[in-house]
Amino acid sequence: AQSVSQHNHHVILSEAASLELGCNYSYGGTVNLFWYVQYPGQHLQLLLKYFSGDPLVKGIKGFEAEFIKSKFSFNLRKPSVQWSDTAEYFCAVNAPGTYKYIFGTGTRLKVLA
Amino acid sequence: ETGVTQTPRHLVMGMTNKKSLKCEQHLGHNAMYWYKQSAKKPLELMFVYNFKEQTENNSVPSRFSPECPNSSHLFLHLHTLQPEDSALYLCASSQSDWGGPVGNTIYFGEGSWLTVV
Repeated sequence: AQSVSQHNHHVILSEAASLELGCNYSYGGTVNLFWYVQYPGQHLQLLLKYFSGDPLVKGIKGFEAEFIKSKFSFNLRKPSVQWSDTAEYFCAVNAPGTYKYIFGTGTRLKVLA
Repeated sequence: ETGVTQTPRHLVMGMTNKKSLKCEQHLGHNAMYWYKQSAKKPLELMFVYNFKEQTENNSVPSRFSPECPNSSHLFLHLHTLQPEDSALYLCASSQSDWGGPVGNTIYFGEGSWLTVV
């Protein structure tokens, strides 16, 4: 069965620090990969996605993620975080052509001003 | 504005009550989803509808009853719930050209916070 692991449940950083959130998935075939963000009191919204092509994907608000197929990973990065990045981040995987989107447990990021 | 609207945003109900959650999407999608979000757990897929037909029931207890009258509307009818059903219930939608090579993005509503007392 497909699964997604996010090993960091809580991360606390100071502003301007660099961020890397881990995401590993378990699935043998081709996958679509997503990062969603949920700001306090708001809905889940798409941060970035990978379907095919360049494994380094750039998303909104300066975020990027790199798909490393050999490691089954899709880690999220941002060179310099801001207080406004305080949110919960979810990694998700989907097998192309299916309706099943499998989510990780989320990582709560707190950025200290 | 997410394009997916859920009502009510907050609901408190007793274990013997009957209530419903409503979801409407304005994105022209054909697939709609119910997810359950509980603390410290992954989002749990509950139901999927494609063109009004249920395509997935992820072993959800019968006290949750979905209804999809058309591709834009989705309901979750609630009856004799348990306190452990208290959670955030998320509705989502996506295009549904399943079977093709391209992926689709799933879009979420703001959720309905349910508390069962």
